[in-house]
Amino acid sequence: GAVVSQHPSRVICKSGTSVKIECRSLDFQATTMFWYRQFPKQSLMLMATSNEGSKATYEQGVEKDKFLINHASLTLSTLTVTSAHPEDSSFYICSALGAGWETQYFGPGTRLLVL
Amino acid sequence: GNSVTQMEGPVTLSEEAFLTINCTYTATGYPSLFWYVQYPGEGLQLLLKATKADDKGSNKGFEATYRKETTSFHLEKGSVQVSDSAVYFCALSPRNAGNMLTFGGGTRLMVKP
Repeated sequence: GAVVSQHPSRVICKSGTSVKIECRSLDFQATTMFWYRQFPKQSLMLMATSNEGSKATYEQGVEKDKFLINHASLTLSTLTVTSAHPEDSSFYICSALGAGWETQYFGPGTRLLVL
Repeated sequence: GNSVTQMEGPVTLSEEAFLTINCTYTATGYPSLFWYVQYPGEGLQLLLKATKADDKGSNKGFEATYRKETTSFHLEKGSVQVSDSAVYFCALSPRNAGNMLTFGGGTRLMVKP
């Protein structure tokens, strides 16, 4: 149980385009989803926390207009990187939490390369 | 604020060697503590956790004990395998903080046959 998927697993896009990454909880309802960014050989940095049906809470230094998060249902959250630039290239990982749960379950990650 | 400090890697061991990866933390109150493992090209998987002092989390031969007096949660395994090669992250989640995780920097483990 507690499986989280992400789509796509890898994406390459041109600079200036927008990319949408989906995060789904497959076998549970996720009241909270988290989005992380991981640079090569580094730890995960929390970008934002999203609760179903409400606006995401962004960490300091994360541009909310650039990284649009939508948590429209209890099983789906999306992260859209708008007007992507090469410096946005990274590994993006989501995690999900069921109501009352203590443990986050992570998706497999999406590797974004912006050319 | 909350923070997690892990020993820097990479840690290189021969198969069947004993593994210890040190983790210490700073937090207010009594957080829950976690070890996550990340295999190459994949997301994080929960390895084990402990929610209160003196609890021992264990899974797949790995163990870690929540030591409040030393604010530590060291990861150990008696006999590592090549398949254990991965990056290991120690993390904490403060109580009443929306289950937000603070991660350590990660420790890369390489096990040679």
